[in-house]
Amino acid sequence: QVQLQESGPGLVKPSQTLSLTCTVSGGSISSGGYYWSWIRQHPGKGLEWIGYIYYSGSTYYNPSLKSRVTISVDTSKNQFSLKLSSVTAADTAVYYCARSGYSYGPGVFDYWGQGTLVTVSS
Amino acid sequence: EIVLTQSPGTLSLSPGERATLSCRASQSVSSSYLAWYQQKPGQAPRLLIYGASSRATGIPDRFSGSGSGTDFTLTISRLEPEDFAVYYCQQYGSSSITFGQGTRLEIK
Repeated sequence: QVQLQESGPGLVKPSQTLSLTCTVSGGSISSGGYYWSWIRQHPGKGLEWIGYIYYSGSTYYNPSLKSRVTISVDTSKNQFSLKLSSVTAADTAVYYCARSGYSYGPGVFDYWGQGTLVTVSS
Repeated sequence: EIVLTQSPGTLSLSPGERATLSCRASQSVSSSYLAWYQQKPGQAPRLLIYGASSRATGIPDRFSGSGSGTDFTLTISRLEPEDFAVYYCQQYGSSSITFGQGTRLEIK
């Protein structure tokens, strides 16, 4: 059973960089066939896809966030990470990591982390 | 970017009733690359339907999806108490994945 777990600071100051890591267990990122995404949900709102990475390091980002987002992968630790720069209060959200790919299609998210709330405040 | 508009915003029904949720896309969703998710408070979304009409593993057959092009529907044939939640549609046919704003299904 694949499990994903987000980790990182719950509080980030405005203008700083938000950094989160997703640790994958029960399956290997480097086995291929899957895309590893970050998705966020503003409080009481809908879902926003941030971007994904493949085990090879290929990435694709939401155009609306592209200038501030970097997603990277560390296959030796079976982790992938999110960096979002120059954050403002509008970046306060629950951040999820999720898997898509081989099972149902490249953009269908079948496994999700539990989510982590990141608040941007001074 | 493809904008998905879900209706109604809130649907109030009783257990045993039939629920019909709509998702309309601002442009055609290629190859019916449309999925539905269920989200309960404090939980991550759960995949229900992919490819517009295929149920994910373990999803009860009271959940069904239909539609193509720009109009898609999620139907729950007979509501169970555990079905009251927020439902999101999502398209993955374009290079940028987008979600609808959600439909809240509440107990009447």
